Amino acid sequence: NAGVTQTPKFQVLKTGQSMTLQCAQDMNHNSMYWYRQDPGMGLRLIYYSASEGTTDKGEVPNGYNVSRLNKREFSLRLESAAPSQTSVYFCASTFRSGSGTDTQYFGPGTRLTVL
Amino acid sequence: GDSVTQMEGPVTLSEEAFLTINCTYTATGYPSLFWYVQYPGEGLQLLLKATKADDKGSNKGFEATYRKETTSFHLEKGSVQVSDSAVYFCALSVNTGNQFYFGTGTSLTVIP
Repeated sequence: NAGVTQTPKFQVLKTGQSMTLQCAQDMNHNSMYWYRQDPGMGLRLIYYSASEGTTDKGEVPNGYNVSRLNKREFSLRLESAAPSQTSVYFCASTFRSGSGTDTQYFGPGTRLTVL
Repeated sequence: GDSVTQMEGPVTLSEEAFLTINCTYTATGYPSLFWYVQYPGEGLQLLLKATKADDKGSNKGFEATYRKETTSFHLEKGSVQVSDSAVYFCALSVNTGNQFYFGTGTSLTVIP
């Protein structure tokens, strides 16, 4: 199992450019998430998808869109990048045990700089 | 609402010292509690978890006990190593929802 994979690992954009961050998981998990990590602020949830075909906003959705392409893939799109979106982006998926406990598994991250 | 508060860092310890990183939580339901570790340049990895009161999670010499009476889940290790240098995140999830709540992270540096 590759677990959760993300592409690209690094990206530099100019203000106003667009890009899509890709995420895939091979663990057959239903739920997938996008977070951003900024110094001193921990992880903040951007969007999540509880199951294929559904998406919901998290704490900081503005400036982002998502697509749950299928059960494996969950992409994050920046339509018009801004310097405030410079961050490290993490994708995660969640395994729910038979007792109902959720455990999250993370990808390696995408380091995005917007100039 | 649900939230996690963990002690602020950075924490610097000498090798073989005792480690405690405090974590307290607020939750409306019956949360599961987690510690994640992030090594430089990498994503978060699950370190340990506990799913009900009085459970003890343990892994790689780290331990944390789910204390419902004090709403705490403090991370401990008896003898830290240089390789334990990382950022540690406390987190909770509540079965009734699809969201996780993370603390802001505590940076640990262990010096030889």
